[in-house]
Formats: sequence, structure tokens, C-alpha cells
Amino acid sequence: EPEVTQTPSHQVTQMGQEVILRCVPISNHLYFYWYRQILGQKVEFLVSFYNNEISEKSEIFDDQFSVERPDGSNFTLKIRSTKLEDSAMYFCASSEQRGVPGELFFGEGSRLTVL
Amino acid sequence: AQSVTQLDSQVPVFEEAPVELRCNYSSSVSVYLFWYVQYPNQGLQLLLKYLSGSTLVKGINGFEAEFNKSQTSFHLRKPSVHISDTAEYFCAVSGSNNNDMRFGAGTRLTVKP
Repeated sequence: EPEVTQTPSHQVTQMGQEVILRCVPISNHLYFYWYRQILGQKVEFLVSFYNNEISEKSEIFDDQFSVERPDGSNFTLKIRSTKLEDSAMYFCASSEQRGVPGELFFGEGSRLTVL
Repeated sequence: AQSVTQLDSQVPVFEEAPVELRCNYSSSVSVYLFWYVQYPNQGLQLLLKYLSGSTLVKGINGFEAEFNKSQTSFHLRKPSVHISDTAEYFCAVSGSNNNDMRFGAGTRLTVKP
């Protein structure tokens, strides 16, 4: 069964460092998302991406964050200068359709720990 | 914009007992509702979804949920739980014109022997 894969599964970094989290969405999906979950808190929407551009972003997704689809398969989330409060589990998701709500398929997450 | 409230942060229950996890939503437009499960150290897995049609939706692992428009609720139920159902359960809502889901805070279901 096709699945969304994320790397790394866990990354530890120093405050102020740049981090890139990678995702390989399901191959025929066209819509991509990043969510995050701070430990013990709710899953929060960060950004959605379609046709090589951001379609929607939340207040959390400030100038420190960026997303990119550098090739036909990867979808990346970059945090330019990490802060302690960026420590969280980051989930990538993809979906096949827009307009008709369908299922989002989630990866297993990348745990980011900022020291 | 839509939002979701999960009324219980933790639900402890004994094995083979019934369980209901509550979810209420608010939205100014038609909504589509989902329940996801997160097992320890894993990602989110879809349990079931309501898009249209019958208000009683059956999902995987014996779970079901009922969409109640008048009460703006989408409670999740299972008649008899197993130890393996111990997990975090998230209710989510999506609007009619986008796939940008919004999640509730989650309910931790703990099934005890």
C-alpha cells in the first residue's frame, strides 16, 4: 500500500541552526501539507501546498519556515533558525483531490528536538 | 473557519467495556468530519470519515461515529474495547472547498485489563 514517508525520524539540533525535514508524498497525490504536534498538545496545521506554491498557511508558519518541492518526489519543510519552541513532531500529509474533501494520508512524523 | 472541540482529554476504560469519545464542531459551511487514531510513536491513521449520506459511519477496528447536525457533534463509539485500542484519538473537520483539516486537542483512550 502506498504511503507517505518522512526523514529523519528524529533530529536533534542546536538553537539557531537550520533544519530541513523531508517528505515523500504518495506518488499520484497533488496536495501536500505540514502539520506539527508539540508534545502533549493538539495537531496544528502549518501549511498546504499545491501546484508548486503555498495555498494556505497558518499563523505559526512565519518567515522562519519555508516549503519546497525541489523535484518530482520530495516535499521539504525548512526552519531557518530554530527556536526552542520549534521542538515538536512534524507530520507531512498528502491528498489526491481538492474541492471534494478526501482523506489526508500522514507520514509517521519527524521528531525535532531543539536544544 | 471551522474548529473542533474534544470534550474529554483522557478516557480510562476497562477492557470489553463500551466507550464514547466526544467531538463537537463549529463551522459556517458544510463540513466533513474525520476521526484519526495515533498509536504510540506512530503517525495518524484514519479511522473513519463522514462526507455525506448516512449519518452513522462505520470505520476500522470496530469503531463507528454518528454525525448529528442539530447538535454539531460527531461522537466516536465502540461497543467493546480491547487493550490494543489504547491510543490518542483525534477528531478533525474539513471545509467544503479545501482539504485543510483542523484537529481537536485529542482524547487519550487508556484501556485497562
